[in-house]
Amino acid sequence: SYVLTQPPSVSVAPGQTARITCGGNNIGGKSVHWYQQKPGQAPVLVVYDDSDRPSGIPERFSGSNSGNTATLTISRVEAGDEADYYCQVWDTIGDHPVFGGGTKLTVL
Amino acid sequence: QVQLQESGPGLVKPSETLSLTCTVSGASITSNYWSWIRQPPGKGLEWIGYIYYSGSTKYNPSLKSRVTISVDTSKNQFSLKLSSVTAADTAVYYCASLMTTVSDWAFDIWGQGTMVTVSS
Repeated sequence: SYVLTQPPSVSVAPGQTARITCGGNNIGGKSVHWYQQKPGQAPVLVVYDDSDRPSGIPERFSGSNSGNTATLTISRVEAGDEADYYCQVWDTIGDHPVFGGGTKLTVL
Repeated sequence: QVQLQESGPGLVKPSETLSLTCTVSGASITSNYWSWIRQPPGKGLEWIGYIYYSGSTKYNPSLKSRVTISVDTSKNQFSLKLSSVTAADTAVYYCASLMTTVSDWAFDIWGQGTMVTVSS
């Protein structure tokens, strides 16, 4: 099964830019979706198809995907962005979704 | 506005069957694929399986022998059964809808989740 690798944690100061990576074999050939999960809440889709945002998601959230790494970028980080972030792709061989292990974003 | 709501027992005994239902409001269950996902305490997300209104299913290979997902179109609900549970099945269980994207699918709407504890 396809494996996605995320760093366990990322820290950033308010107002700075946070970059959360998601590694996978030739992940650039897949579409990557990103979810934000705040403590005690269900995940929320923040980026889909590498770089598109659902309605209501701030423009501060953006994504890119190339080679073996996809990246979720959060600009002008706010305290309210502190959460766990998960990447997800579709395993076309098994025809099922795969999640990364998640990254805890800490706003210093 | 589409909403999903999980329901079912919060406590299940070891070796018994976990049963949960997800009620869909604001959309017809015939309009989408629907999925179950779980999250053990302090851990990441694990996909369990998905179903189409026709009854077509796909399960996580690691759980396939114990999982059954079904749909009731008359009630706009879909359900999860997980048999022979152990403490390792203790988790928050989410139901979610699968949104078709340009390339594949993403989980666009999630239920609030329900905590299920396996304990005697």
